[in-house]
Amino acid sequence: ETGVTQTPRHLVMGMTNKKSLKCEQHLGHNAMYWYKQSAKKPLELMFVYSLEERVENNSVPSRFSPECPNSSHLFLHLHTLQPEDSALYLCASSQDPAGGYGYTFGSGTRLTVV
Amino acid sequence: GQNIDQPTEMTATEGAIVQINCTYQTSGFNGLFWYQQHAGEAPTFLSYNVLDGLEEKGRFSSFLSRSKGYSYLLLKELQMKDSASYLCAPYSGAGSYQLTFGKGTKLSVIP
Repeated sequence: ETGVTQTPRHLVMGMTNKKSLKCEQHLGHNAMYWYKQSAKKPLELMFVYSLEERVENNSVPSRFSPECPNSSHLFLHLHTLQPEDSALYLCASSQDPAGGYGYTFGSGTRLTVV
Repeated sequence: GQNIDQPTEMTATEGAIVQINCTYQTSGFNGLFWYQQHAGEAPTFLSYNVLDGLEEKGRFSSFLSRSKGYSYLLLKELQMKDSASYLCAPYSGAGSYQLTFGKGTKLSVIP
């Protein structure tokens, strides 16, 4: 148990489907993140929420839509994805990393788009 | 912008010592994190260096030189379970708490 819980662990979806990834943390952190991890590539930051406000959107296609209803929950809504979107999607939470605590990551959702 | 460079892969023998280097160029710098990621799992925190020098934590140590934009992770008495990817992540200290990660170094420990 890492303190950050992601569901589902694995997801296979067609290009016309709509699905959502869920992330939950009860660590009292005030920032939450979505990262994408593809093979042979570094972790790519997708979205940052600080105190439930989106503070960063790193040129992510609109087929990915984040939602942060409260400080403990973060969603990533998916629709009309492409096969190249297949990757490991990681959620993380943190307080100010300058405090030395870094991020706490969830176990990720392995997404396959067929 | 951010530029982070670390070797893609390394192989070392069980019981040996290995040093994983990371060089970075960032706009703003507060400190540098190292994370460990086993295949198919979440990255886990290893260390955070703010000041120059070596910080030791059991078998793992991390070094930072701010003036050179350089860090390394030193793993001693290697064990098979140390086979993983090691991610270097400088932190700029910006308000949105963003970490930028390197591509990671995949370490394989062999008997």
